[in-house]
Amino acid sequence: AQSVTQPDIHITVSEGASLELRCNYSYGATPYLFWYVQSPGQGLQLLLKYFSGDTLVQGIKGFEAEFKRSQSSFNLRKPSVHWSDAAEYFCAVGAYNTDKLIFGTGTRLQVFP
Amino acid sequence: EAQVTQNPRYLITVTGKKLTVTCSQNMNHEYMSWYRQDPGLGLRQIYYSMNVEVTDKGDVPEGYKVSRKEKRNFPLILESPSPNQTSLYFCASSFVAAKPYEQYFGPGTRLTVT
Repeated sequence: AQSVTQPDIHITVSEGASLELRCNYSYGATPYLFWYVQSPGQGLQLLLKYFSGDTLVQGIKGFEAEFKRSQSSFNLRKPSVHWSDAAEYFCAVGAYNTDKLIFGTGTRLQVFP
Repeated sequence: EAQVTQNPRYLITVTGKKLTVTCSQNMNHEYMSWYRQDPGLGLRQIYYSMNVEVTDKGDVPEGYKVSRKEKRNFPLILESPSPNQTSLYFCASSFVAAKPYEQYFGPGTRLTVT
């Protein structure tokens, strides 16, 4: 069965520092992968997605993610974090030609000035 | 502006008192879905709908009902709410052609059942 694991429940970084949020998935074929961000009191906003092609994908707000098939990972990165990036981040996987997205449990990012 | 709206945003109710949370989208999306978000569990799908009059159970459908009489609306109904349904609820929508679905989310409804 498909599953998504986000090993880090809570991460704290200083403003200006680099960031990497981990995501591992379990799926037998090529997955379709998403990162969503949930700012306090807001709904989920799509940051980026990977369907095929270049394994390094660029998203909004300066985020990028790299699909590594050998590691079953889709980690989210940002070279320099801003205080406004404090939020909860969800990785999700969808299988081709299905109706479902499977979400991870989320990683809460805290940013210190 | 393209958006998914939910009402109410906050709701406190008592056990057993029927309630409805509305969801509406203005993007002409065929697919709509309801999720609940609980700490440590992420988002879990309650029900989804592929189009008008077509609904199906997600992973946690017990205690919930839905209907899809119009394309833009997908209300979530709790006939007899219980405290274990205290949660943050999200509605989402997308185009069916865009499998797997790139979903657009509403702002959420925080429900407390006492």
